[in-house]
Amino acid sequence: DGGITQSPKYLFRKEGQNVTLSCEQNLNHDAMYWYRQDPGQGLRLIYYSQIVNDFQKGDIAEGYSVSREKKESFPLTVTSAQKNPTAFYLCASSIGGNKNIQYFGAGTRLSVL
Amino acid sequence: DAKTTQPPSMDCAEGRAANLPCNHSTISGNEYVYWYRQIHSQGPQYIIHGLKNNETNEMASLIITEDRKSSTLILPHATLRDTAVYYCIAGNTPLVFGKGTRLSVIA
Repeated sequence: DGGITQSPKYLFRKEGQNVTLSCEQNLNHDAMYWYRQDPGQGLRLIYYSQIVNDFQKGDIAEGYSVSREKKESFPLTVTSAQKNPTAFYLCASSIGGNKNIQYFGAGTRLSVL
Repeated sequence: DAKTTQPPSMDCAEGRAANLPCNHSTISGNEYVYWYRQIHSQGPQYIIHGLKNNETNEMASLIITEDRKSSTLILPHATLRDTAVYYCIAGNTPLVFGKGTRLSVIA
């Protein structure tokens, strides 16, 4: 099946710990995105990448880091500098350019222990 | 991206058409109108998009006014499974999502 796979579905972080959320796509899309969603709110852009080995900060990049070493993968690390990491994290991909449809994964729900 | 305004919530009877409005009065000429929906605790699902002309696909119809300052998403025969938050976005990727409209389809 073609699509976007996010793992794990649920993740727990201890205080002071870095955690990495996985996002893999087999759609051959050039662009990938990470969003954060808090309860009752819309989606806020964390980082996006339009091509391998390049990425840009979104509106709320502080406390997060990403890498784009492979076209199909765009992992997000939530660092200990992110003081309020509890949220629903969504990964998306699109063909590329600025007029293309973004397709989303099922999300990862991160909670702090 | 243009700012969009949507009603926070709407109800619709099952089997009737659901008409969801969106205002995007500051949209620029090259910005598309996208509609997505999000069922609780799932990732957003693409529904439809358009630039100037009205569009229809197997899920919905999109009506864009001639001045492009507003649009309406139409679900022709709403079912209980259409209960979700519907997002209208006016812009280009990366897309900017507001709070959307919570549509409740009632039996």
